[in-house]
Amino acid sequence: KQEVTQIPAALSVPEGENLVLNCSFTDSAIYNLQWFRQDPGKGLTSLLLIQSSQREQTSGRLNASLDKSSGRSTLYIAASQPGDSATYLCAVRFDYGQNFVFGPGTRLSVLP
Amino acid sequence: GAVVSQHPSWVICKSGTSVKIECRSLDFQATTMFWYRQFPKQSLMLMATSNEGSKATYEQGVEKDKFLINHASLTLSTLTVTSAHPEDSSFYICSARVGQSTYGYTFGSGTRLTVV
Repeated sequence: KQEVTQIPAALSVPEGENLVLNCSFTDSAIYNLQWFRQDPGKGLTSLLLIQSSQREQTSGRLNASLDKSSGRSTLYIAASQPGDSATYLCAVRFDYGQNFVFGPGTRLSVLP
Repeated sequence: GAVVSQHPSWVICKSGTSVKIECRSLDFQATTMFWYRQFPKQSLMLMATSNEGSKATYEQGVEKDKFLINHASLTLSTLTVTSAHPEDSSFYICSARVGQSTYGYTFGSGTRLTVV
């Protein structure tokens, strides 16, 4: 069964800290992996999309890495801000499938 | 580009009534649409996949007679929750495959359904 897990489930940090969110997936045969942000009661905001042939993607203070062989991806957030507080979802599109499989998310709180 | 407009963003309905959620692709043809739902404090789970002009494929445990999906055109897909019950209260979100692109997917903004 293709599964996606994320740790930690929740994280609370003071403003300014650099932090790492982890995502693991059970099958290394993936098309791509995408990180999303979800604010309470809202939809998804796409942050970064990493194709299976790529090792990392960067956007502003965000950097996502992909290690297919070990089934892992990390989302690095630099100099965290209170506005970064949200739930971060990792979603994987596996080979032989069209849909994304979502992880349970990491709920991030950045304290001012 | 590649925007999916989802409506309504939130809806409250009485138990036993039906609710229709629409997803429209504004600037592309959505050949395939995915419907997900998210219960409180849980992640998004795929409910069904629909291809334009075909019957939807439902995931195990999703009642096809309760969650009616119509994808009659390349720009519109609808999810109708029939005879809604409080346990159907959830966040529903659609995702469209952009044309025949292998990598291109876009998500709607989601619908918060509360059944009272």
